[in-house]
Amino acid sequence: NAGVTQTPKFQVLKTGQSMTLQCAQDMNHNSMYWYRQDPGMGLRLIYYSASEGTTDKGEVPNGYNVSRLNKREFSLRLESAAPSQTSVYFCASSGRGASNQPQHFGDGTRLSIL
Amino acid sequence: AQSVSQHNHHVILSEAASLELGCNYSYGGTVNLFWYVQYPGQHLQLLLKYFSGDPLVKGIKGFEAEFIKSKFSFNLRKPSVQWSDTAEYFCAVMPWGGSYIPTFGRGTSLIVHP
Repeated sequence: NAGVTQTPKFQVLKTGQSMTLQCAQDMNHNSMYWYRQDPGMGLRLIYYSASEGTTDKGEVPNGYNVSRLNKREFSLRLESAAPSQTSVYFCASSGRGASNQPQHFGDGTRLSIL
Repeated sequence: AQSVSQHNHHVILSEAASLELGCNYSYGGTVNLFWYVQYPGQHLQLLLKYFSGDPLVKGIKGFEAEFIKSKFSFNLRKPSVQWSDTAEYFCAVMPWGGSYIPTFGRGTSLIVHP
């Protein structure tokens, strides 16, 4: 019963470094999402993948790239990290093709960029 | 595009007090509505959801919400809060059909004093 698993849980980077945040779900969900959460800003969608093989930009995609590796995995990459990307990142997934399906969230990755 | 407004950003209550958190959305069509809770240091979890039928929905831990279509509102209530309800609460809206991307409110931080 893992649900949505994110790695790593914590990371500190220097400005300009790159890294990939990993996300995997074991619920056979079609849709997967990446959010960032900042104080007072709620959740902001970075990228999403409605189904395997498709990805689309969300509200705040600049500075990020994603890969939907297969149905289970959806990774988020920071090519050149900036202090403004310090945040908590959540991956989520939701069930097959229905707007009444709630999202299931991972435990988050707390990322600090110095 | 839809939007979600949570009017109360910070709420402080004593144990046993009643709770009502406001959520209003703007969207002309049919929507699905969700409330999520995020306990300190944890990920978002689904509290309750409304798809259709009885506009009064009951969720986990004694929470309920009422959908008032004419007011575009989906307020969260609990008759008697506990210290363990201290958390951040997010309202989310997802239009029927379409891209299955929910819109989240900015959240309400609830602190319950013992």
